[in-house]
Amino acid sequence: KQEVTQIPAALSVPEGENLVLNCSFTDSAIYNLQWFRQDPGKGLTSLLLIQSSQREQTSGRLNASLDKSSGRSTLYIAASQPGDSATYLCAVKVSNFGNEKLTFGTGTRLTIIP
Amino acid sequence: NAGVMQNPRHLVRRRGQEARLRCSPMKGHSHVYWYRQLPEEGLKFMVYLQKENIIDESGMPKERFSAEFPKEGPSILRIQQVVRGDSAAYFCASSPDRISTDTQYFGPGTRLTVL
Repeated sequence: KQEVTQIPAALSVPEGENLVLNCSFTDSAIYNLQWFRQDPGKGLTSLLLIQSSQREQTSGRLNASLDKSSGRSTLYIAASQPGDSATYLCAVKVSNFGNEKLTFGTGTRLTIIP
Repeated sequence: NAGVMQNPRHLVRRRGQEARLRCSPMKGHSHVYWYRQLPEEGLKFMVYLQKENIIDESGMPKERFSAEFPKEGPSILRIQQVVRGDSAAYFCASSPDRISTDTQYFGPGTRLTVL
């Protein structure tokens, strides 16, 4: 059974700092891994999707890496801004054909201090 | 192209009533997924549907919960005889026909409160 863990559960950093969020998963047989952002009372916004054959993806100040063999992914946020405050979720899609569900971690609640 | 739409956004029910949650996928998407987010927990998969078919319902509670995605109209998640433990945010996501490599696009969620 796939389990996804995110550490830390909460993180506060001063504005302008670079930071790293961690995600680990127990079953390395995945199709892809995705990072989402969730604002309070809102839905999920996809930030980055990494296919199993890829090692990293970048979008603006965000960089996500994937190490399948060790079951780890990191989300790097450069030059953090108060608007980055949100809960960040990682999710994996398993590799079984027809098994399309995403398995989510419990998230890291990020607060950027102005 | 409108995103995934869910309604109502907030729903209040008393114990024993029925709750119906609706999800309209993005235009051109024929795959729908329902997830539940209990307070202070991560999202948990409930059910995966294609038009008129339930593909995977491994995350659905065995009783009181059902889902459908008819040929015409939105997908419906139905909860009969709600209990306080059903209070949660219910998210719907959709994806196009291609499988396994595409992201799922999430709606804003329906927040169900059971009194």
